[in-house]
Parts: sequence; C-alpha cells; structure tokens
Amino acid sequence: EAQVTQNPRYLITVTGKKLTVTCSQNMNHEYMSWYRQDPGLGLRQIYYSMNVEVTDKGDVPEGYKVSRKEKRNFPLILESPSPNQTSLYFCASSLLADKGTQYFGPGTRLLVL
Amino acid sequence: KNEVEQSPQNLTAQEGEFITINCSYSVGISALHWLQQHPGGGIVSLFMLSSGKKKHGRLIATINIQEKHSSLHITASHPRDSAVYICAVTSDKLIFGTGTRLQVFP
Repeated sequence: EAQVTQNPRYLITVTGKKLTVTCSQNMNHEYMSWYRQDPGLGLRQIYYSMNVEVTDKGDVPEGYKVSRKEKRNFPLILESPSPNQTSLYFCASSLLADKGTQYFGPGTRLLVL
Repeated sequence: KNEVEQSPQNLTAQEGEFITINCSYSVGISALHWLQQHPGGGIVSLFMLSSGKKKHGRLIATINIQEKHSSLHITASHPRDSAVYICAVTSDKLIFGTGTRLQVFP
C-alpha cells in the first residue's frame, strides 16, 4: 500500500530536549516536505527536499533541521524545542515538486512544555 | 493578503444539500489541489487539476485558469462529508489556503 508514515504520532516533551520525528514513504517519490499546522494559520512549509542530499528552507524553518540521506526517509529534527513549536506536524511526498498528487503522513501532534 | 483565499471559512448544511466551496489565488500555478482533513487530523488528496473539471463520485472540482479561481462541489451531501476542505496551489512551492470547515447535519 502506498503510504507516508510518521513517528511518533503524539509526543510530549520539555523545552530544550532534542527530538526527531521520522518520516518515510514507499512510493519512490523525489519530493518530500514538512509542514506545521496551527489554528487560524493553516499549513505552513518548514523544509522541503527535491531529492537525496537536496534540502531547502520553507516559510518557517527557524528551530528545525532536516536531512535526506536516503530517498525514502526525511526526518525532522528539533535540536532545542521551545513551546512555540507546539503544533501538528505533517510530512508529505509527491513524485516531483510540481507534479503529482500530494501524499500526507498521519500527522504528529507535539506538545512542548 | 494571502496568496490563496478560500470561502466560506465555515459552512453548515443539511444532508442532501448541494455544497460549493470556492478558492481564489493570486500567483501563477502549475496545479491546484483540493485536500480533505477529517476531525482525526489526517489529510487526503481529493483532486489535483490544472485545467477544466474533474469528478470523483459526488465530488466535482473545477478550475478557471484565466480567473484564477477553483470550486469544489459536493452533490447530495452526507454527514460523513463533514471535514475541513483545503485548497492548495503549486507555484514555486505548495501554498495552502486556511481551509473551509464543513458540517453536514442529518
């Protein structure tokens, strides 16, 4: 089954404790991206990757890091989480950046205390 | 001003009603997407279109490139259609509208 998986689905952490949210897709997609969703603001792009070893900042990259060492995986790293990073996070992939249906992961709900 | 505007923000309907959600955008695009987000949070792609009209079951999506406008129609609405519907456009990146919350009552 074609899918994007994310882990964990729910996470409560404290300020400053490094965390990683994993994202994996099984469709051999070149394009992957991370979004955060906040009430009233909609989905905003954090980082994206056009292919392996190619990543770039989205609209709200501050406080986040990503890596794309393999085509299928695109982890999101919060080196020192802060309460303003409390949000619902989605990973997504598509065949190419400007072509193809977007496939979204199930979301990760993060609470930073 | 947002580059992708949706209307209405909230919509309530009785089961069986015909529903229209509108999306206007102000940038050049290569494609427009309609997404559905259920209360559980998951996001599903309903349509991707770059011209004309697409139909899937009771859902119809249209786009007018010249007017930079798209509509999502739901015929014979049902309570299970209750969700947030999000319009997104592929420009140099994916740009999202803030969504339309639809509630369909029996």
